[in-house]
Amino acid sequence: AQSVTQPDIHITVSEGASLELRCNYSYGATPYLFWYVQSPGQGLQLLLKYFSGDTLVQGIKGFEAEFKRSQSSFNLRKPSVHWSDAAEYFCAVGEDNYGQNFVFGPGTRLSVLP
Amino acid sequence: SQTIHQWPATLVQPVGSPLSLECTVEGTSNPNLYWYRQAAGRGLQLLFYSVGIGQISSEVPQNLSASRPQDRQFILSSKKLLLSDSGFYLCAWRTGRETQYFGPGTRLLVL
Repeated sequence: AQSVTQPDIHITVSEGASLELRCNYSYGATPYLFWYVQSPGQGLQLLLKYFSGDTLVQGIKGFEAEFKRSQSSFNLRKPSVHWSDAAEYFCAVGEDNYGQNFVFGPGTRLSVLP
Repeated sequence: SQTIHQWPATLVQPVGSPLSLECTVEGTSNPNLYWYRQAAGRGLQLLFYSVGIGQISSEVPQNLSASRPQDRQFILSSKKLLLSDSGFYLCAWRTGRETQYFGPGTRLLVL
């Protein structure tokens, strides 16, 4: 069965600094990978997804993520963080885009200092 | 465009009381529907999913149940809440090869 780990429970960065959130997965085949963001008191919003092709994917709000098969990783990055990016970020892996086996990581909480 | 509604947004219930959370989807037909729970400090856990009216699959055995009385309505229920049922409940939908999209969530506190 697939699994997802996000090693960092809480990250604090200054506004304008770069950001990288780590995600590692365990899955036997090529996974479908996702990053979601949850702002305080709100539901989840899809940031980006990877299915195949170019391993560097662009998402909304200036985020990008890179799929590295050799490292079983799908890290999320942003070159310059804004105060509004403070939220909880979830990495997720699925067998495909419409399968039922959809697993989320524990999440990383991002705080942004002014 | 498709939208997904959940209510209530926040709920405080005593231990042993019943629960009913509702999720409805607009702008799509025959969606797959999902209930997730996010407990404090933990990731999302899939509770139930449904591929059609009256069809419910349970991922985790517990005192919760789900029903789908209409194509675009998904209900999460409990006869007697436990303290451990506290958490943030998210409904999600997808159709065909679309990615899952999530509702705004219901924050449940069991006291």
